Amino acid sequence: SQKIEQNSEALNIQEGKTATLTCNYTNYSPAYLQWYRQDPGRGPVFLLLIRENEKEKRKERLKVTFDTTLKQSLFHITASQPADSATYLCALTGANNLFFGTGTRLTVIP
Amino acid sequence: DGGITQSPKYLFRKEGQNVTLSCEQNLNHDAMYWYRQDPGQGLRLIYYSQIVNDFQKGDIAEGYSVSREKKESFPLTVTSAQKNPTAFYLCASSIKGQGVYEQYFGPGTRLTVT
Repeated sequence: SQKIEQNSEALNIQEGKTATLTCNYTNYSPAYLQWYRQDPGRGPVFLLLIRENEKEKRKERLKVTFDTTLKQSLFHITASQPADSATYLCALTGANNLFFGTGTRLTVIP
Repeated sequence: DGGITQSPKYLFRKEGQNVTLSCEQNLNHDAMYWYRQDPGQGLRLIYYSQIVNDFQKGDIAEGYSVSREKKESFPLTVTSAQKNPTAFYLCASSIKGQGVYEQYFGPGTRLTVT
C-alpha cells in the first residue's frame, strides 16, 4: 500500500525565515499532489495542487515542488509570519480520493 | 454563504449506542467524503460517495455506515461495532470524485464515547 511521510512532526522557525516542509511517498505514482493547512480543532483548507508534469507551483508566499523521480514534494513558505503557524498536510491523489500524510506542525516564532 | 457544515461540534455518547453525525453542503458538489483523524495520524478515509444513492468503503469502514439520499447530505452513523469510536470526524466534498479536485472540509465533529 502507499506510504506518505512528512519529514518531521514539528518544525520551529524564526519569523521572516523560509520554512521548508517535506513530503515523501513510496509504492505509488500520483498524477497530482495537494497541500492543505489545518488549524487546531478545524478542518483542513486547500492551499495548492501540483501536477506530475509541473516541477514548481507558486502562490503568493507559497512554493511547491514535485520531483517524481525522488518521489518527493517540498513546500516552502517564504518570509514566514506567526500567522503561518499551523499543521500542513500533503495529500496524494488517487483515482477517486486523496491519501493524506500525518502532517507537519509548523510554529513561527516572533 | 456557501460551504460545508457539520453538527454538532462536540458529541458525547455511552458505549454501545449508535450515533449519527450530520454533514451538509450547499456547494453543489457531486462527491462527499468522511474521514477520521486521530492524534499523530493522518486523515483516514471511512466512506466516500461520488453520486447520489451510491457510496464506497474507504480504508476503515468497519463499524460505520452512511447514506446518500440527497446530493447535499451525507450522514455518517458510528455503530456500536466500531471498537474505538472516540475521534475527530471530518466531512469533505469536491466537485467530482476524481482525486485531482480539491476537497472542501467541514469544521469537524469531535466524538467522545465513554
